[in-house]
Amino acid sequence: DAGITQSPRHKVTETGTPVTLRCHQTENHRYMYWYRQDPGHGLRLIHYSYGVKDTDKGEVSDGYSVSRSKTEDFLLTLESATSSQTSVYFCAISETPQGNTEAFFGQGTRLTVV
Amino acid sequence: GDSVTQMEGPVTLSEEAFLTINCTYTATGYPSLFWYVQYPGEGLQLLLKATKADDKGSNKGFEATYRKETTSFHLEKGSVQVSDSAVYFCALSAGGSYIPTFGRGTSLIVHP
Repeated sequence: DAGITQSPRHKVTETGTPVTLRCHQTENHRYMYWYRQDPGHGLRLIHYSYGVKDTDKGEVSDGYSVSRSKTEDFLLTLESATSSQTSVYFCAISETPQGNTEAFFGQGTRLTVV
Repeated sequence: GDSVTQMEGPVTLSEEAFLTINCTYTATGYPSLFWYVQYPGEGLQLLLKATKADDKGSNKGFEATYRKETTSFHLEKGSVQVSDSAVYFCALSAGGSYIPTFGRGTSLIVHP
């Protein structure tokens, strides 16, 4: 199994507070992604990274920021949490931009904003 | 842009029934195609993949054939088990973009 660890696994937070989710990999893969999973929407890309300090927005990036200061860590921050950000968040990694590359996923973080 | 369309679920079957989950895609170039499975409370994991036209991916009794002419990658299994109950995601990875594109997922429920 690919070495991907998400923390925390579960979190309940209050509206308006900042929240940071962490993704840690031991595979030395270049590409990292944050997705959210919601009923009826499947997986939606929030942000992604193509190298240290190189990040870009996905389709649902509003209200989220990311940072990648080391190859192994990719942080997702909710700047001021809202109830619409209640979701399950998944981190994924992939090795190369080649077409046959699969993605490896973490176990997910269930975030509840009350 | 790239996109993946899957049949909506849930798909409900009895044990030992035949399974088909449809998947079609739109992509520039020649993508690789994947099926991922998500068991309850877990992350996605790769089930099978195909990297070029007419390739067949297979794993755990599941199969899917990369059909370029119909831009499809339908998932099949001849005899499902209760333990196959999960959400199945079709996905593509195009050579010009390293961002995997996922379908919305299809929930499969298998009854004894």
